Amino acid sequence: EAQVTQNPRYLITVTGKKLTVTCSQNMNHEYMSWYRQDPGLGLRQIYYSMNVEVTDKGDVPEGYKVSRKEKRNFPLILESPSPNQTSLYFCASSPRGDGEQFFGPGTRLTVL
Amino acid sequence: GENVEQHPSTLSVQEGDSAVIKCTYSDSASNYFPWYKQELGKGPQLIIDIRSNVGEKKDQRIAVTLNKTAKHFSLHITETQPEDSAVYFCAASRTGTASKLTFGTGTRLQVTL
Repeated sequence: EAQVTQNPRYLITVTGKKLTVTCSQNMNHEYMSWYRQDPGLGLRQIYYSMNVEVTDKGDVPEGYKVSRKEKRNFPLILESPSPNQTSLYFCASSPRGDGEQFFGPGTRLTVL
Repeated sequence: GENVEQHPSTLSVQEGDSAVIKCTYSDSASNYFPWYKQELGKGPQLIIDIRSNVGEKKDQRIAVTLNKTAKHFSLHITETQPEDSAVYFCAASRTGTASKLTFGTGTRLQVTL
């Protein structure tokens, strides 16, 4: 089944404890992206990647890191999480970057 | 950068009625306008999109209209059904730059029996 998977789906952590949210797609898509969803703010792009080893900042990149060492994986790294990073996170992929994006099921992160 | 405004934030309609959600964008160079539907507990899913070379696109009960002069586009759902209840997001981007998709703030649609 063609899909985007994220792990974990739910995570509660404490301020300053490094964490990684994994994202994987099995559709051989070149483009991948991370978004955060907050009430009243919609979806905001954090980082995106047009291909392996090619990443760029979205609208809200502060406090996040990404890497794209393999085409299928695009992990989101929070080196020192803070409470304002409590949010619902979505990974998405697309054959190019132009056109339909396929979203994962989301990761709900709470930083205490 | 692009800014997309979406209205209303909540919309309640009776089953069988029509629903309209409106978005405006700021970047006159934007030329790709998708609409995503997000059901409870799931990721957004594309339901329809339109590019700037057309003014209207229809897919069964769903249609999208685009007014490039006014920088305005709308989603129209006819004969609404309970399964249409969800959060709907509009978005805008420039094709070619591809990657920068800017979303609206979402509309929670409730279809009542």
